[in-house]
Amino acid sequence: DIQMTQSPSSLSASVGDRVTITCQASHDISNYLNWYQQKPGKAPKLLIYDASNLETGVPSRFSGSGSGTDFTFTISNLQPEDIAAYYCQQYGDRLTFGGGTKVEIK
Amino acid sequence: VQLVESGGGLVQPGGSLRLSCAASGFSFEDSAMHWVRQAPGKGLEWVSDINWSSSRIDYADSVRGRFTISRDNAENSLYLQMNSLRTEDTALYYCTKASSAYPGIIDYWGQGTLVTVSS
Repeated sequence: DIQMTQSPSSLSASVGDRVTITCQASHDISNYLNWYQQKPGKAPKLLIYDASNLETGVPSRFSGSGSGTDFTFTISNLQPEDIAAYYCQQYGDRLTFGGGTKVEIK
Repeated sequence: VQLVESGGGLVQPGGSLRLSCAASGFSFEDSAMHWVRQAPGKGLEWVSDINWSSSRIDYADSVRGRFTISRDNAENSLYLQMNSLRTEDTALYYCTKASSAYPGIIDYWGQGTLVTVSS
């Protein structure tokens, strides 16, 4: 099975900051990597698919990059409504989620 | 798109439960579907998936042999039969829809149904 190592597990940043989360796959998954946002008490929501494609309706301050085993998710201008947990998910071989990153406002 | 789960509840270890998911607002008969779970305060774990025709089914190792996924395209419904339940199966179970482009992309989630396995 493919393991996904996501870091950091939590972070605290100020409004307007640039926030970066990384995800590393145990094997090459090409660009089969998605990012989800889960706000407290809510179901997850797809933000980025295939490593770098923004889902329709998602603000452009969210972006993703990477291929192979190393991936990055960025919020370019952190907003209060971005408080959430973020998960990467691979589908190169079945499905596996990263451990999640909890983003808080400083 | 609407996905509404039901069937969760409290069950003793070794017991069984059947989860259901009523789907609407999209072409269910053309869509692959997944079950994903989340233990209290923990991350997401993929459980199982099924393609549109039920010809391709897969399970996480943690549930293989105990859980069975199925669907009824005439009823726009997805199911998860859970047997031999363990305390570690306690979680919120989400019914999810796969993208029409790639079955590994989950583009819609239900609100979940809570399964608690405890004596």
